[in-house]
Amino acid sequence: DTAVSQTPKYLVTQMGNDKSIKCEQNLGHDTMYWYKQDSKKFLKIMFSYNNKELIINETVPNRFSPKSPDKAHLNLHINSLELGDSAVYFCASSQNPPGWGNEQFFGPGTRLTVL
Amino acid sequence: QQQVKQSPQSLIVQKGGISIINCAYENTAFDYFPWYQQFPGKGPALLIAIRPDVSEKKEGRFTISFNKSAKQFSLHIMDSQPGDSATYFCAASGIRGSGSRLTFGEGTQLTVNP
Repeated sequence: DTAVSQTPKYLVTQMGNDKSIKCEQNLGHDTMYWYKQDSKKFLKIMFSYNNKELIINETVPNRFSPKSPDKAHLNLHINSLELGDSAVYFCASSQNPPGWGNEQFFGPGTRLTVL
Repeated sequence: QQQVKQSPQSLIVQKGGISIINCAYENTAFDYFPWYQQFPGKGPALLIAIRPDVSEKKEGRFTISFNKSAKQFSLHIMDSQPGDSATYFCAASGIRGSGSRLTFGEGTQLTVNP
């Protein structure tokens, strides 16, 4: 069983479109995250939810909107896609917010390409 | 503001050699220092982690050395194997809380030649 799953694996779309990425974890964790990994492989947190409540909201354009319908799911909706949004997006989860002994489990990533 | 600096950006070692990756941090409130390993096409996975109250932690061929006064920590991979070829990220976070987050280093692409 996959611990953290994301769909789709690949997403190719035109500039200006709206798209969503879905994430589900079956680990029973309370905290979920979205990370962006750019072409240089730099990992940067975008959002974090704890018990469906937004606890981290980094400097991310308003075009990005996370939604957590329940503790096991955290989706990412992106409006008006731009070329610079092309990246790999990772969902992750942990039992609690970051700290000692609180391993983050990452999903397989969604490679978004904006043409 | 990059709070965790990692070097080198890339590293090539021969099979059986020692791989060393270094990280430096700025925020003295950091108290959790994990290393993540990422294979191509996969998400990062926790490799090993250390707290600042110990100077070294070893798990198999992987060792973290921690120097609190210098605000530096490093990953040593002994007897490096081709299967270790991956991107390695150091990271740091502060005291657990609703606003804490993992700050990652820039990553090191390790290649172990057979």
